[in-house]
Amino acid sequence: QVQLVESGGGVVQPGGSLRLSCAASRFTFSSYGMQWVRQAPGKGLEWVAFIWYDGSNKYYADSVKGRFTISRDNSKNTLFLQMNSLRIEDTGVYYCAKGSGTNFYYHIDVWGKGTTVTVSS
Amino acid sequence: DIVLTQSPGTLSLSPGERASLSCRASQSISSSYLAWYQQTPGQAPRLLIYGASSRATGVPDRFSGSGSGTDFTLTISRLEPEDFAVYYCHRFGSSPLAFGGGTKVEIK
Repeated sequence: QVQLVESGGGVVQPGGSLRLSCAASRFTFSSYGMQWVRQAPGKGLEWVAFIWYDGSNKYYADSVKGRFTISRDNSKNTLFLQMNSLRIEDTGVYYCAKGSGTNFYYHIDVWGKGTTVTVSS
Repeated sequence: DIVLTQSPGTLSLSPGERASLSCRASQSISSSYLAWYQQTPGQAPRLLIYGASSRATGVPDRFSGSGSGTDFTLTISRLEPEDFAVYYCHRFGSSPLAFGGGTKVEIK
């Protein structure tokens, strides 16, 4: 069935950078909008960023705007999240999520297992 | 920005009981753009309901969604042991997308 596998998480100091990847398989990646959702330890879900199926439109939560960049490589079935100027409050599990359609008018139907980002000095 | 408020924060019930979880939006939203997810400890969320009332594939019929405008409800008719989890509502369709704060359904 549809599979999303995140990677790239780790421990980084405040002000540092990380690049997360999400490898997609068993569906036509280029036909679906994708997004990142994060969860701080013991907290709820927080939407981070969304990218349309063709990469033409990108949207960000105010908390990450100007620091994070979402992108995709449809030739490699991969979603990315470049995270710069990391803050302690960016710590958490980052989930890659597939939309059920091309843009943000469709619900999330599949989630990856997540990758953990820890920002600490 | 549209904010989703879920209540109660925690619901303590026994297996076999009925659970009603509320999700209230700060502005009216289209029911087409409201979904519910279940998350168990250490796991990724799982889609339960989309379009406010449509069950996802494989979701038992004890789960149902209803509502419109600003008030939405997820109902679990008879709680099974595997239903004790955290439930989130999610609004999409415009930016910023948003999740509610979650309702934890715990065993009484």
